[in-house]
Amino acid sequence: GAGVSQSPSNKVTEKGKDVELRCDPISGHTALYWYRQSLGQGLEFLIYFQGNSAPDKSGLPSDRFSAERTGGSVSTLTIQRTQQEDSAVYLCASSGTGGTEAFFGQGTRLTVV
Amino acid sequence: SQKIEQNSEALNIQEGKTATLTCNYTNYSPAYLQWYRQDPGRGPVFLLLIRENEKEKRKERLKVTFDTTLKQSLFHITASQPADSATYLCAPRDSSASKIIFGSGTRLSIRP
Repeated sequence: GAGVSQSPSNKVTEKGKDVELRCDPISGHTALYWYRQSLGQGLEFLIYFQGNSAPDKSGLPSDRFSAERTGGSVSTLTIQRTQQEDSAVYLCASSGTGGTEAFFGQGTRLTVV
Repeated sequence: SQKIEQNSEALNIQEGKTATLTCNYTNYSPAYLQWYRQDPGRGPVFLLLIRENEKEKRKERLKVTFDTTLKQSLFHITASQPADSATYLCAPRDSSASKIIFGSGTRLSIRP
């Protein structure tokens, strides 16, 4: 596609439910990043995929959070047993081989009620 | 641990003046440093990159400086306009293979 695509754009879920957020990076981009942004706050790094290397999961806040990247393309961020403090905008970005610039999607706004 | 500090307070500038934003970092040896702009409700957009061997980079009304001794980058917007109002984020990066960590950003408001 022309840009990074995230779905859904908005998600409202009940506390305790699991959610899956999807990211379609720019075709051919080897690097993919997930960030979380709470209202009025900065970007919190969650996880980073680079080609076939093991992902850098150092930013995942708890074991309720996990992410996969299938076939080096689409990525899914899964949050199990959601809590109210998980409410935030989840942003995905991708960059090319040796790339420096990251291209961001529009984000998924998650609300846990 | 690695740390990135940007002006914590919002910056309010009169239209036409030069806005200067600061990015300080510790425990990085960045090969380059990036600046992004973020508008409310949108993802960040890349603006400029400056490499460790560059002292200054310009793009239209934007100018970035990089002092690896001071561990600091300055981001300038000359002849500022209300449309420049946004949050500006810096991201020092050790290499193109490392994750991108952003500073908390500086909110800039340009008043007419």
